[in-house]
Amino acid sequence: GQQVMQIPQYQHVQEGEDFTTYCNSSTTLSNIQWYKQRPGGHPVFLIQLVKSGEVKKQKRLTFQFGEAKKNSSLHITATQTTDVGTYFCAATGTDKLIFGTGTRLQVFP
Amino acid sequence: SAVISQKPSRDICQRGTSLTIQCQVDSQVTMMFWYRQQPGQSLTLIATANQGSEATYESGFVIDKFPISRPNLTFSTLTVSNMSPEDSSIYLCSVQRGGEKLFFGSGTQLSVL
Repeated sequence: GQQVMQIPQYQHVQEGEDFTTYCNSSTTLSNIQWYKQRPGGHPVFLIQLVKSGEVKKQKRLTFQFGEAKKNSSLHITATQTTDVGTYFCAATGTDKLIFGTGTRLQVFP
Repeated sequence: SAVISQKPSRDICQRGTSLTIQCQVDSQVTMMFWYRQQPGQSLTLIATANQGSEATYESGFVIDKFPISRPNLTFSTLTVSNMSPEDSSIYLCSVQRGGEKLFFGSGTQLSVL
């Protein structure tokens, strides 16, 4: 079945450093979504990308959808301690969302 | 957005018992989704609950182990039956709004001894 892999699995950064997580699919995606889950919390929707090569920004977060629509990335500029959590990409499968393996981000002050 | 009330928020259960998790949504939705998140892992879809019909289960999940009810368009329950320590996970209900966006309940942290 469809698989969505994310790298890295874990990332520890110093506050102020940048962070990037990558999402890769074995098949072409119709769209990709990104979610953030704070420690002890539930996933919260961040954004959806639909078009090939699309780039969207939310303050310090930049989301990109690959030209071939098989991969996506989330880049955080100048991380803050509030960015701590696990970031999941999610791809639309047959009538359901398939979540990526997730990247856990730890930010040290 | 969606307001989803899920309970209990956590429970510690004995092996062999069952736990029913409830999920209440602030407005009517066609489909409700039940996910499992094992410790440190991603989210895995257990089943999709449709009102008026039987739930659709994903590969690896069966109705006898995870019976689901969907009595109306704002409510669903998931039961974890005959529990074993391997069932220790977070269970999340969710709904779609605004297209394909998923909104989640706060989750149920289940520990089986």
